[in-house]
Amino acid sequence: DSGVTQTPKHLITATGQRVTLRCSPRSGDLSVYWYQQSLDQGLQFLIQYYNGEERAKGNILERFSAQQFPDLHSELNLSSLELGDSALYFCASDRQGSSNEQFFGPGTRLTVL
Amino acid sequence: QQQVKQSPQSLIVQKGGISIINCAYENTAFDYFPWYQQFPGKGPALLIAIRPDVSEKKEGRFTISFNKSAKQFSLHIMDSQPGDSATYFCAATLHISNDYKLSFGAGTTVTVRA
Repeated sequence: DSGVTQTPKHLITATGQRVTLRCSPRSGDLSVYWYQQSLDQGLQFLIQYYNGEERAKGNILERFSAQQFPDLHSELNLSSLELGDSALYFCASDRQGSSNEQFFGPGTRLTVL
Repeated sequence: QQQVKQSPQSLIVQKGGISIINCAYENTAFDYFPWYQQFPGKGPALLIAIRPDVSEKKEGRFTISFNKSAKQFSLHIMDSQPGDSATYFCAATLHISNDYKLSFGAGTTVTVRA
């Protein structure tokens, strides 16, 4: 158990809808990362937050947004969902945002029908 | 665009055999090369890592070989066991000031047959 929690575990929704994925980092970790894992794209970095501020952006679509709250939990919002957004979404955390090991949560499996 | 190219996509090995996964990169600014292991239904977890000033690192049955001039690195799993069946991702880290970016390879699914 990495200490990173993600909810929900599974999410099934329809095209055009909006969903929110939630992540709680390990105790003491200030940085949160979001990744998308699909069969054909592997693990794609979406966005990183450090202590409430956005620090780095990867291949995140404009329909997606995220934030990190004062208690350090983070939410990833996905809107105007398309079939191609179906994937596993992982959250990871680390202490300072610059360490060499990230701790991954169990993921949220999103299915868009 | 994959900054780290990983092969093969999958491999099957008999129990007790050696599994070899290869990765290649282009950006010479990468300064840390971790391998992550992912079991079905779980998130990836750090397995072993190496810095570019070291040519080999061994932890138990897992060994990373690193060739800086060729910009290639590989994971060897010795005496493969059924419990090693998982997806393995190589990765490379780029540190810029206080930021760093982790780029993953596409993953290799390893199946160890008993």
